[in-house]
Amino acid sequence: EIVLTQSPATLSLSPGERATLSCRASQSIGDYLAWYQQKPGQAPRLLIYEASTRATGVPARFSGSGSGTDFALTISSLEPEDFAIYYCQQRSFWAITFGQGTRLEI
Amino acid sequence: QVQLQQWGAGLLKPSETLSLTCAVFGGSFSDFYWNWIRQPSGKGLEWIGEINRSGTTNYNPSLKSRVTMSVDTAKNQFSLELKSVTAADTAMYYCARRPLAGAVAGTLNSWGQGTLVTVSS
Repeated sequence: EIVLTQSPATLSLSPGERATLSCRASQSIGDYLAWYQQKPGQAPRLLIYEASTRATGVPARFSGSGSGTDFALTISSLEPEDFAIYYCQQRSFWAITFGQGTRLEI
Repeated sequence: QVQLQQWGAGLLKPSETLSLTCAVFGGSFSDFYWNWIRQPSGKGLEWIGEINRSGTTNYNPSLKSRVTMSVDTAKNQFSLELKSVTAADTAMYYCARRPLAGAVAGTLNSWGQGTLVTVSS
């Protein structure tokens, strides 16, 4: 099983600041990594796939990078609605795994 | 615009079987794997497994012995059964869609609204 480790667990920032969230895979996964945003009481929402491609309707302030084992999600200038929990996710060997999440708080 | 609508019993006793169903509206049923994911309150996401329209399944090894998924192509529905539940199975359960092909093939790009399942004696 491929383990995804996210850091930090919690990131405290202010609106307008830049956020960088990290996800590390226990072995190389190429660019087969996705990022999701989850707000309280809601299902997760796909933000990024193939490590760096924004899903439909996702604002340009969200960007993804990385390949192999090290990945990042960057939010260039935080808006109030961006404060949420973010998960990375991969699929390989017929299984899906998620990172444990990063809480982005004001 | 695809919609996933899910339902099932919300309160179970230990040792009972959890049963949830997810219906797919407004999209193809053939070109996807249909997934179940759960999330205990205040915790992260755990993948349970997936099934395609042919009935081919992939399960989380940690749950495989207790999980059964099925599909009803006539109704565009798929279901989850988890037997012998304990308090540790208390969680929000989500259904979700994973495309079979293309750049998004590894992702869960549409989700149901979630069903809260509580296991308590």
